[in-house]
Amino acid sequence: NAGVTQTPKFQVLKTGQSMTLQCAQDMNHEYMSWYRQDPGMGLRLIHYSVGAGITDQGEVPNGYNVSRSTTEDFPLRLLSAAPSQTSVYFCASSYRDSKNIQYFGAGTRLSVL
Amino acid sequence: KNEVEQSPQNLTAQEGEFITINCSYSVGISALHWLQQHPGGGIVSLFMLSSGKKKHGRLIATINIQEKHSSLHITASHPRDSAVYICAVQFRAGGTSYGKLTFGQGTILTVHP
Repeated sequence: NAGVTQTPKFQVLKTGQSMTLQCAQDMNHEYMSWYRQDPGMGLRLIHYSVGAGITDQGEVPNGYNVSRSTTEDFPLRLLSAAPSQTSVYFCASSYRDSKNIQYFGAGTRLSVL
Repeated sequence: KNEVEQSPQNLTAQEGEFITINCSYSVGISALHWLQQHPGGGIVSLFMLSSGKKKHGRLIATINIQEKHSSLHITASHPRDSAVYICAVQFRAGGTSYGKLTFGQGTILTVHP
């Protein structure tokens, strides 16, 4: 099983550039989410989705867009990258029931210069 | 504000020692997760608890709902246990609370041979 697949693993952007971080899961999970991890801050929720066509904001949504056109895919878009978005990004998925473990992707390390 | 506090932030042990990592949270939860993040960066779910105690190999997780406290124990620690251990909770809320995790800052564990 592939589980949760994130691409790319590493990315360097210049300020103002746009890009999309890809996330795909093959477990038919309804719930998918994006987190960012910064030193001393712990993981913070950016956006999440409870099913195809349904998305909502998390704790730190500014500067990021998401869409969920299929159950499998949940891309995260940076429309105009800023140095403050330098971070490690993790995608996670789980079944919809609240008492299910979450499966994490391997992460994307993003640097914005 | 819904908060999650972990202690200690850093922990150094000798191989074979019994290790305890603590997690406290501020309000009622529907579930608590213990996660492990290795130096390579990947995050793996170790346990999901809503009450009582769970055991997997040398790892034991307990939760006291009344005290709003959970502990992760590692028996007979080994250098391969060196990692960051992260506590995350799903706070009890209406509707779409499932899957929305709030994370502690993590405990960096180093086990020396």
